[in-house]
Amino acid sequence: KNQVEQSPQSLIILEGKNCTLQCNYTVSPFSNLRWYKQDTGRGPVSLTIMTFSENTKSNGRYTATLDADTKQSSLHITASQLSDSASYICVVSADSSASKIIFGSGTRLSIRP
Amino acid sequence: DSGVTQTPKHLITATGQRVTLRCSPRSGDLSVYWYQQSLDQGLQFLIQYYNGEERAKGNILERFSAQQFPDLHSELNLSSLELGDSALYFCASSVGPGVKETQYFGPGTRLLVL
Repeated sequence: KNQVEQSPQSLIILEGKNCTLQCNYTVSPFSNLRWYKQDTGRGPVSLTIMTFSENTKSNGRYTATLDADTKQSSLHITASQLSDSASYICVVSADSSASKIIFGSGTRLSIRP
Repeated sequence: DSGVTQTPKHLITATGQRVTLRCSPRSGDLSVYWYQQSLDQGLQFLIQYYNGEERAKGNILERFSAQQFPDLHSELNLSSLELGDSALYFCASSVGPGVKETQYFGPGTRLLVL
């Protein structure tokens, strides 16, 4: 069964600290993996997109990694800011068609001053 | 602001009714996606259109239908509404149809079925 699992469910860190969010998937055949940031009540915003051959992708203070062998991805946030408080969602596409898009349940990140 | 617009922002209706949600993609984007986000099921892909044609179908119920018009705006029709259809409905757009395209999400339509 195609699944995407994220951990932790929620995380609280102090402003300025780094953190890493995890995503494990059992999706096959794999096409690409995306990380989205979603503020409460708003649409998701794309952070990174990685295909099978890409190990790392950065977008400012956000760095995503992908290990296609172990089917794991992580999103590392450096020097967190209050505006980083949001849900972070991992999304895996199973093949070349959009019909196999599987969403993780997200990690709720709270940054405390 | 992603450039994707959705109307209405909020919608309250009763069970059994029919509603239409509207989406205008970013200028130049030919592909439109519809997603449903509920508290218990998270985000789910419903359907994709590309340049007026249905491209991919996800977990869309038979009571739901969508179309993309020649001006590229899209509508999602929800009929025989049930309490469980209460959710946030997002539209996203991308330039091309491929799964590797960056998708830009609209602000969503919050539907409440009473």
